[in-house]
Amino acid sequence: DTEVTQTPKHLVMGMTNKKSLKCEQHMGHRAMYWYKQKAKKPPELMFVYSYEKLSINESVPSRFSPECPNSSLLNLHLHALQPEDSALYLCASSLRSSSGRAVGELFFGEGSRLTVL
Amino acid sequence: QQQVKQSPQSLIVQKGGISIINCAYENTAFDYFPWYQQFPGKGPALLIAIRPDVSEKKEGRFTISFNKSAKQFSLHIMDSQPGDSATYFCAARPETSGSRLTFGEGTQLTVNP
Repeated sequence: DTEVTQTPKHLVMGMTNKKSLKCEQHMGHRAMYWYKQKAKKPPELMFVYSYEKLSINESVPSRFSPECPNSSLLNLHLHALQPEDSALYLCASSLRSSSGRAVGELFFGEGSRLTVL
Repeated sequence: QQQVKQSPQSLIVQKGGISIINCAYENTAFDYFPWYQQFPGKGPALLIAIRPDVSEKKEGRFTISFNKSAKQFSLHIMDSQPGDSATYFCAARPETSGSRLTFGEGTQLTVNP
């Protein structure tokens, strides 16, 4: 079983709704990631948090708002999404070196399948 | 320079056969090359990874072959089983990026019984 837990597994929302995706890991990893994956495509990096601070934002639209409340939790707040935002949203985590590099394996959760109507 | 090119896009193999998936890269700063396996409805899971200081790494039925001069690496699945049917992604990470893992486009493997 994956050690990165994502909720909910499925989410259907309208374009005016506000919802959140949640991610939790207890492996002591200090780097956490949000990826977006469309069908039959590789994961695309959205955000990276390093030691609870946002370190990478891959020019993601502001309708996606990440939050890292503590070293174990990562949220992705969703507002005014478009139908083209429908995808599998993956959370991942990894170790972090003292110099800030990701170290070793990236552990993925099972994802939250988002459908925007 | 950040691209990783993966082939084939899809692969059908008979049970017991060898599955081979190839990847090529341009960025010589890449120093970590993992392969991920993804089943439908699941997140990707690390299968095996290699660094450029070795030319081959084997874990059970899975082997990565790495050719630094050609900037290519490949995944070999020996004695392929129907349970190996999944999408496989190669990936690479440059030493300076810290976090950016560049994925190949993926290979959908089907192993027929």
